Amino acid sequence: KAGVTQTPRYLIKTRGQQVTLSCSPISGHRSVSWYQQTPGQGLQFLFEYFSETQRNKGNFPGRFSGRQFSNSRSEMNVSTLELGDSALYLCASRPGQLNTEAFFGQGTRLTVV
Amino acid sequence: AQTVTQSQPEMSVQEAETVTLSCTYDTSESNYYLFWYKQPPSRQMILVIRQEAYKQQNATENRFSVNFQKAAKSFSLKISDSQLGDTAMYFCAFMKRNTGNQFYFGTGTSLTVIP
Repeated sequence: KAGVTQTPRYLIKTRGQQVTLSCSPISGHRSVSWYQQTPGQGLQFLFEYFSETQRNKGNFPGRFSGRQFSNSRSEMNVSTLELGDSALYLCASRPGQLNTEAFFGQGTRLTVV
Repeated sequence: AQTVTQSQPEMSVQEAETVTLSCTYDTSESNYYLFWYKQPPSRQMILVIRQEAYKQQNATENRFSVNFQKAAKSFSLKISDSQLGDTAMYFCAFMKRNTGNQFYFGTGTSLTVIP
């Protein structure tokens, strides 16, 4: 069974631009969560989607948004990029909301210049 | 609010030896889960071990075991017979039970296994 796939693996964007990151969960998994990892702030929860609905949201500005499609694939979007948005963005999938074990992808390394 | 503290930013251990990574947490919840995740240079977070707070018995997975002290809010990870492949960042994480799937992570401990 294929693991969690995140694309692209690396991305360089200019301040002010917007970016879309993609996450394909393990087949059959319906819950997708996103985390931002930075050296200064560590791992922080962005949001969680289940059955195309946002179920939980972390403390991030409205520039960070996401969505989930009917095939459970998820995208997150960051608009008006700032230098501080440079981070590793990790996606985690679960079979359902009540499952505790999460399977992570290898992340997308975003660099804002 | 939930907080997770890992007070050891870096640790090292000789191959085949035993090492213990510390983690403390703060919560007012009574039902929750605790986890140790490993992040090797490949960046993929891999579950090492999971503990359910309502279970008194400490979880064990092969060479990995935990010392869960609920009253002290302590959750340490012991790695026995350390192997070179254990070199990675280790994150302690907390999750409330039945109220969402958000992990609260500690800041991590970088473990190096020395040949």
